[in-house]
Amino acid sequence: GENVEQHPSTLSVQEGDSAVIKCTYSDSASNYFPWYKQELGKRPQLIIDIRSNVGEKKDQRIAVTLNKTAKHFSLHITETQPEDSAVYFCAATANQAGTALIFGKGTTLSVSS
Amino acid sequence: DVKVTQSSRYLVKRTGEKVFLECVQDMDHENMFWYRQDPGLGLRLIYFSYDVKMKEKGDIPEGYSVSREKKERFSLILESASTNQTSMYLCASTEGGRGEQYFGPGTRLTVT
Repeated sequence: GENVEQHPSTLSVQEGDSAVIKCTYSDSASNYFPWYKQELGKRPQLIIDIRSNVGEKKDQRIAVTLNKTAKHFSLHITETQPEDSAVYFCAATANQAGTALIFGKGTTLSVSS
Repeated sequence: DVKVTQSSRYLVKRTGEKVFLECVQDMDHENMFWYRQDPGLGLRLIYFSYDVKMKEKGDIPEGYSVSREKKERFSLILESASTNQTSMYLCASTEGGRGEQYFGPGTRLTVT
């Protein structure tokens, strides 16, 4: 089955710096890669996703890149702000229908001002 | 606005008890999921359902069962609760494949 590895487990940056979180997956059939953000005490929420026919997607300060050959994808946050502090989870599809997801173990991002 | 609710925010049960966790979504979503969240282990899929009365095992189904008798409701059952099932349980739903999963607020279950 699908396995998703996420690094680093913790990341501390200064406000205004960039942050990068990387994930690798094992199943070459996976074709959908979302990223979720979970603030302390709250439920996870989707922030950006990418499908396998696209190499990069951007939404304001966040971007995701996908390398299907190497089976890895990354989240890039530019000009970080204190409100970006949260746990971030990457995920990949775990079944053919693309409904079930396998999540990485998460990255705790701390942005200090 | 999608709403996913869970029956309890906090629950304390004794070892060996049968435990029911319920999840309800109001957006007519086909797919529903149960995860458990533990520090350092991320979100692990227990079971999911793609239609009424249909279910599939996730990564960690041992010790759990599920029931989906109506489209809007998905229940997680711990037949005989054990201390290693102390965790945060999150329910989610999604309309179809490759779409946003909407999470409930979570149930923090403690088994003593």
